[in-house]
Amino acid sequence: DGGITQSPKYLFRKEGQNVTLSCEQNLNHDAMYWYRQDPGQGLRLIYYSQIVNDFQKGDIAEGYSVSREKKESFPLTVTSAQKNPTAFYLCASSIDGGPGGDTQYFGPGTRLTVL
Amino acid sequence: QQPVQSPQAVILREGEDAVINCSSSKALYSVHWYRQKHGEAPVFLMILLKGGEQKGHDKISASFNEKKQQSSLYLTASQLSYSGTYFCGTERVGSQGNLIFGKGTKLSVKP
Repeated sequence: DGGITQSPKYLFRKEGQNVTLSCEQNLNHDAMYWYRQDPGQGLRLIYYSQIVNDFQKGDIAEGYSVSREKKESFPLTVTSAQKNPTAFYLCASSIDGGPGGDTQYFGPGTRLTVL
Repeated sequence: QQPVQSPQAVILREGEDAVINCSSSKALYSVHWYRQKHGEAPVFLMILLKGGEQKGHDKISASFNEKKQQSSLYLTASQLSYSGTYFCGTERVGSQGNLIFGKGTKLSVKP
């Protein structure tokens, strides 16, 4: 079955620690995205990538970093510089990420809690 | 720049109808609708494209008014399974294809 997987589902970390969230897709999609969701809010774009070895900042990239070494993988690192990292993190992918109505499909999400 | 959704929340009885609106201040190329159950991933429902092409779910319909940059999602004869939070994601004309999401409309369907 094709789809997007995220791991882990729940993640706890201490303040001051970096943590990496995994996102893998086997849909053969070129574009991948990371969103952050807070209670009562919509989805806010952190980073996106339309091709391997290239990525762009979204609206709230400060305190986060990404890599795109393989087409199917787009890990997100939440660094200690992120002031309020507790949130629900969603990864998505789409065919090419270009303009014109490219549908994004979401993974199950990772809930990060900073203790 | 975030699209505005209305209403923020709505409670229905099974079988009743609902309309959810999404309004943008920017010219749009497409509007995408998603439904999210608590703690789960958003699920794609519908895409409305500039020029009138419509794709998506056969039990839910939607419209896109290009002049007003507004989209509406129509839920008819609601079922318990329709409960969740509905988000619109807007693609602005001239953008690279990224979506900007509204804050969502929470829909609760009661028996």
